[in-house]
Amino acid sequence: EDQVTQSPEALRLQEGESSSLNCSYTVSGLRGLFWYRQDPGKGPEFLFTLYSAGEEKEKERLKATLTKKESFLHITAPKPEDSATYLCAVQSNDNFNKFYFGSGTKLNVKP
Amino acid sequence: SAVISQKPSRDICQRGTSLTIQCQVDSQVTMMFWYRQQPGQSLTLIATANQGSEATYESGFVIDKFPISRPNLTFSTLTVSNMSPEDSSIYLCSVETRLNTGELFFGEGSRLTVL
Repeated sequence: EDQVTQSPEALRLQEGESSSLNCSYTVSGLRGLFWYRQDPGKGPEFLFTLYSAGEEKEKERLKATLTKKESFLHITAPKPEDSATYLCAVQSNDNFNKFYFGSGTKLNVKP
Repeated sequence: SAVISQKPSRDICQRGTSLTIQCQVDSQVTMMFWYRQQPGQSLTLIATANQGSEATYESGFVIDKFPISRPNLTFSTLTVSNMSPEDSSIYLCSVETRLNTGELFFGEGSRLTVL
C-alpha cells in the first residue's frame, strides 16, 4: 500500500540552528515527490517537486533531496518566519490524480 | 499559480444538517480536488471533480455523503450531508494549474465543527 511517513512530528530549533526533516515513502512507481509548507489556518503552499533519486532543489534556506526511499528537507540557518508545518506528498505512476500526504512536521524556530 | 477562494472559512453546524462549501478559482482549470484534513492528520483526498462529468470518489467517500458539483471550469461545491461530529474537519479545495505537474494550489480551507 502506498504511504508516506514524516519525522519528526515536531521540531523546535533555535534561530540559526540547521536541521533536516525526513519523508519516507512507499509507492508503486514514484512519479513525483512534493514538499509543501502550511501555516496555521491556511492551505498548503507548494515548495518543491522532485522526480528522481539524486535530484535536489533549493529555495532560500530550504533544500530538498530525494533517494529511492526517502526525501529530506534541509533547513539552513532557519529564521522564526520558517516556522510552519511542512508536508510531504508522493504521486504514483498508477494514478496521476492521487497524492499521498504525510502527517507533516511542525517546525518551530525560536528567536 | 492560482488564487482559490473558499466559502465559508469556518462554520459551526448542528448534527444532521448539511453544509455546502464553495470553491472559486481565478483561472480555468480542468481538475479540482477536494481534500479533508483532520486535526493532526494528513490530507486525505475525498474526490476529484472534472467539469462536465461525475466526480470520482476515493475509497471511503460516497456521493450521497459528499455530493460535488462542477458547473464550469472555475467553480465547484462540496456538500457535507447529514453531518455528525466525526465530520468536524478542515475541507480544502485544490487545483493543478499545469496539468500533470503535481503542483497543487490550495484554498485556505473551510473549518467545520459539528456539534
